[in-house]
Amino acid sequence: SQQGEEDPQALSIQEGKNATMNCSYKTSINNLQWYRQNSGRGLVHLILIRSNEREKHSGRLRVTLDTSKKSSSLLITASRAADTASYFCATDPIQGAQKLVFGQGTRLTINP
Amino acid sequence: DAGVTQSPTHLIKTRGQQVTLRCSPKSGHDTVSWYQQALGQGPQFIFQYYEEEERQRGNFPDRFSGHQFPNYSSELNVNALLLGDSALYLCASSGTTTSRQFFGPGTRLTVL
Repeated sequence: SQQGEEDPQALSIQEGKNATMNCSYKTSINNLQWYRQNSGRGLVHLILIRSNEREKHSGRLRVTLDTSKKSSSLLITASRAADTASYFCATDPIQGAQKLVFGQGTRLTINP
Repeated sequence: DAGVTQSPTHLIKTRGQQVTLRCSPKSGHDTVSWYQQALGQGPQFIFQYYEEEERQRGNFPDRFSGHQFPNYSSELNVNALLLGDSALYLCASSGTTTSRQFFGPGTRLTVL
């Protein structure tokens, strides 16, 4: 069963605009991670945020985590065509040992 | 430094057959996890191997089994294939000191 739910399931925006994706989860976590997947290929790790962190930045990516609401958001600024992909959040439950639980993903399309 | 590698890339089998998928972890990693990703879904955790033993298991039947070798590479075996086993099978490796997992490109299994 899936732990998280991403919202929206699909997002289409114009190149240069910002894209925001949200993720909700159900159980306590050790950390939350965001991954990108291009056309059904392998997953590329984007960023990891620990349960005691509230915000993290990496290049054009900004991730927030609200453990009280069990939710996270991924912001991609100044989007590019190459950002077109599916984005997944994955939680690492405290009781698990690197056993990632993924949401269903957000399909992001960047239009020129 | 090679990342996670998987073989084969694609595989077509018929119902009832058996299949073996292979994974070589990233250099320096000793933990291998396997995930199944059905079309349009997020990856689901199958099991994890560490020190040549299955350390954790997801909600998958006994038809799914695995093995880890002394060089940390791993195999995923699926017996009595069903149409529903058609999916992308992802291998991920990690070290014992980090939660970040590195994913391979996956093996696309089609069961006819």
